[in-house]
Amino acid sequence: GDSVTQMEGPVTLSEEAFLTINCTYTATGYPSLFWYVQYPGEGLQLLLKATKADDKGSNKGFEATYRKETTSFHLEKGSVQVSDSAVYFCALLTGNQFYFGTGTSLTVIP
Amino acid sequence: NAGVTQTPKFRILKIGQSMTLQCTQDMNHNYMYWYRQDPGMGLKLIYYSVGAGITDKGEVPNGYNVSRSTTEDFPLRLELAAPSQTSVYFCASSSKTVSYEQYFGPGTRLTVT
Repeated sequence: GDSVTQMEGPVTLSEEAFLTINCTYTATGYPSLFWYVQYPGEGLQLLLKATKADDKGSNKGFEATYRKETTSFHLEKGSVQVSDSAVYFCALLTGNQFYFGTGTSLTVIP
Repeated sequence: NAGVTQTPKFRILKIGQSMTLQCTQDMNHNYMYWYRQDPGMGLKLIYYSVGAGITDKGEVPNGYNVSRSTTEDFPLRLELAAPSQTSVYFCASSSKTVSYEQYFGPGTRLTVT
């Protein structure tokens, strides 16, 4: 069935470090791909999206490119801030159903 | 706009009890969803609805029921609570035209003992 696999955490980085969180997917058809972010005590929020192969989603300095050949959608940010500390979820949408990864916890230390 | 609201925020149930988790959205969204999030895990879809009167099962529907009599409300019913239903429950909604952007409520933390 359809699924998302993302790298295990937790991830701890110093401020201004480079961030990569890996995400790969398995899907029949042509899914849309997303990154959601969850801040402590809150629900998930959409961070960025890509709806077809080679699309690049970007928001708040984060980027991810839909790679059909490697079935991947890795999240990157060039310089993280303390305020980026959160849990990040990769997700795919196929039909009317979303499938979420297990989440990667990121802590950024000053 | 309040967005998506959920009540209660916390609840402790005894095994075999029943309860209803409430979810309301004020954005006139057609689509609504219920997820559960277990510790260290991603979200699992329980049920979803594409409009009033229409509901469908997600990945993990067993032990739950839903109804959608209005556009705004999408309650989740737990019958005969079991410890395996201890989780955080999130309700979400999205519009028909921008169905990928889900708006999440703050969640309900449920413990079954």
